[in-house]
Amino acid sequence: DTAVSQTPKYLVTQMGNDKSIKCEQNLGHDTMYWYKQDSKKFLKIMFSYNNKELIINETVPNRFSPKSPDKAHLNLHINSLELGDSAVYFCASSSRRVGYNEQFFGPGTRLTVL
Amino acid sequence: GIQVEQSPPDLILQEGANSTLRCNFSDSVNNLQWFHQNPWGQLINLFYIPSGTKQNGRLSATTVATERYSLLYISSSQTTDSGVYFCAVERWASGSRLTFGEGTQLTVNP
Repeated sequence: DTAVSQTPKYLVTQMGNDKSIKCEQNLGHDTMYWYKQDSKKFLKIMFSYNNKELIINETVPNRFSPKSPDKAHLNLHINSLELGDSAVYFCASSSRRVGYNEQFFGPGTRLTVL
Repeated sequence: GIQVEQSPPDLILQEGANSTLRCNFSDSVNNLQWFHQNPWGQLINLFYIPSGTKQNGRLSATTVATERYSLLYISSSQTTDSGVYFCAVERWASGSRLTFGEGTQLTVNP
């Protein structure tokens, strides 16, 4: 199946721990994103990478660090987890052709910090 | 930044009813997408529609870019249509990011 996939789907951890979420797309896209959906279901961009280069870095705490080893992968590492980090994290990808940039989303990772 | 407002925030229908969801945006956009977030949390692409009209089965969408709004029509609604419908827009001048509205929570009762 051609898709955007994320692992894990659920992540439950203690405050202060460090965790990573992985994302892979096999759509041949050149741009990947991380979005955060809060408890009120509001979705907001966190990061965007184009051809492995960071192009968007919203006002996200330094504890969040994205890493793109290649165009098909974008991982999110979170240090010193806090209660407020509990949310659903979505990875997305797109192909930034001129005039067309439809984004496709992964299934989400529900992070719960206890 | 650009503001995206969706209405109504909540909508309850009986199966078989029709509905119209609205998305207003505060500035010109290059892209506009409609998504359905199903009860399992998946974000499903419905339409990529920066302008014009598209149809896909019982769903159709119209974007009037000059007047800064988009409409999503759902006809003969089914219980599987339940979930949250999001409108999201992109302005290339702001970089490749989607700015989402707060969504319309749709409940279709049998």
